[in-house]
Amino acid sequence: AQKITQTQPGMFVQEKEAVTLDCTYDTSDPSYGLFWYKQPSSGEMIFLIYQGSYDQQNATEGRYSLNFQKARKSANLVISASQLGDSAMYFCAMRETGNAGNMLTFGGGTRLMVKP
Amino acid sequence: DVKVTQSSRYLVKRTGEKVFLECVQDMDHENMFWYRQDPGLGLRLIYFSYDVKMKEKGDIPEGYSVSREKKERFSLILESASTNQTSMYLCASSLSSGLSNYGYTFGSGTRLTVV
Repeated sequence: AQKITQTQPGMFVQEKEAVTLDCTYDTSDPSYGLFWYKQPSSGEMIFLIYQGSYDQQNATEGRYSLNFQKARKSANLVISASQLGDSAMYFCAMRETGNAGNMLTFGGGTRLMVKP
Repeated sequence: DVKVTQSSRYLVKRTGEKVFLECVQDMDHENMFWYRQDPGLGLRLIYFSYDVKMKEKGDIPEGYSVSREKKERFSLILESASTNQTSMYLCASSLSSGLSNYGYTFGSGTRLTVV
């Protein structure tokens, strides 16, 4: 079974609007971490935001926030006030406790396109 | 300010060639990883290493090998390149443990084409 599922291969959003990128995960580990990365067309992976499984509050970093619903095993990324520079691939990833080498497992990604 | 360096940005190789992809990090990280990225499949782990001379298979190790003779360098080797190994290859490194919110630092990727 897929450990990380991103169901939206591609999405459009109007500039200045908010957008939600979906991520669901599968783990039986009570302690885990969830990450979102952005990959612009240049190829580099940029870390955006982190949520720990025991964190009481949803993580926020500037225009990025993580809608963490533990019971539903979802960790959706919300980008507020979209900008043209937000056009990129976005990857959700998970680290389970005990993963050798702090290994991350990634989803298939969502391509976000921001329209002017 | 460069932290994880992949030796080539673009590479074109012929079928059957032995290919070396090099990755160097200057952050004294214990762990290093090689992923390949394909459309719709995301990033899939090929191999990782948690110490010098140590290596572990990831999800798709077939057709690949790795070498880690020094802490800062992790090499991916395609023993006999095939066209289905045409892909983007990403190297990453991380600390061994401790900082829970620490993910990876990635290199800028190598786009390999096998013809």
